[in-house]
Amino acid sequence: ETVLTQSPGTLFLSPGERATLSCRASQSISNNYLAWYQQKPGQPPRRLMYDVSIRSAGVPARFSGSGSGTDFTLTISSLEPEDFAVYYCQQYGRSLTFGGGTKVEIK
Amino acid sequence: QITLKESGPTLVKPTQTLTLTCTFSGFSLNTPGEGVGWIRQPPGKAPEWLALIYWVDDERYRPSLRSRLTITKGASEDQVVLSMTNMDPVDTATYYCARFFSSIPNTISTVANWGQGTLVTVSS
Repeated sequence: ETVLTQSPGTLFLSPGERATLSCRASQSISNNYLAWYQQKPGQPPRRLMYDVSIRSAGVPARFSGSGSGTDFTLTISSLEPEDFAVYYCQQYGRSLTFGGGTKVEIK
Repeated sequence: QITLKESGPTLVKPTQTLTLTCTFSGFSLNTPGEGVGWIRQPPGKAPEWLALIYWVDDERYRPSLRSRLTITKGASEDQVVLSMTNMDPVDTATYYCARFFSSIPNTISTVANWGQGTLVTVSS
């Protein structure tokens, strides 16, 4: 099973700042099968990105994804108040696993 | 509009079998590429995929839980049922029904749509 490790566990930032979230896989992820989700309290996760860098419908352009092999990054170029949430990476293809999450909190 | 809704018990006793039903609308499990599955999330922890079934009755399971899980299409065309045997307090979680769509054969996709989830507590 591919294990996904996210860092940092918590990111303290202010609105307007840039957020950089990391996701590292225990083995190379084929076909760029890496997605990112955002989750707010009391809600199910919402898919932001898939295939590493393709934004889901309705996701603002301030969100971008990059990476390949075992190292992936989600970047939020300028944090809006509604972006403070927990973010999970996910690999898919032959199986499906989630990372442990990064919480983006207001500093 | 696509919706999914979970139903089932909110409290089960240790060793019992949990049966959850997902009732969905806005898409058909007879359409090529469509799949419905289950994901759970223990309180304060990350989501964990459990199982899914695709339109061709292709069933996929989390390997570590395979022996305890069964996913089937329901009696109604808009339902999918998950059974999980030998429940334990560590299985306490919010259980989500989810829609998957894969245009590539034999490939598990990302989650396109989620239900709101149902909290299942395992306690005697």
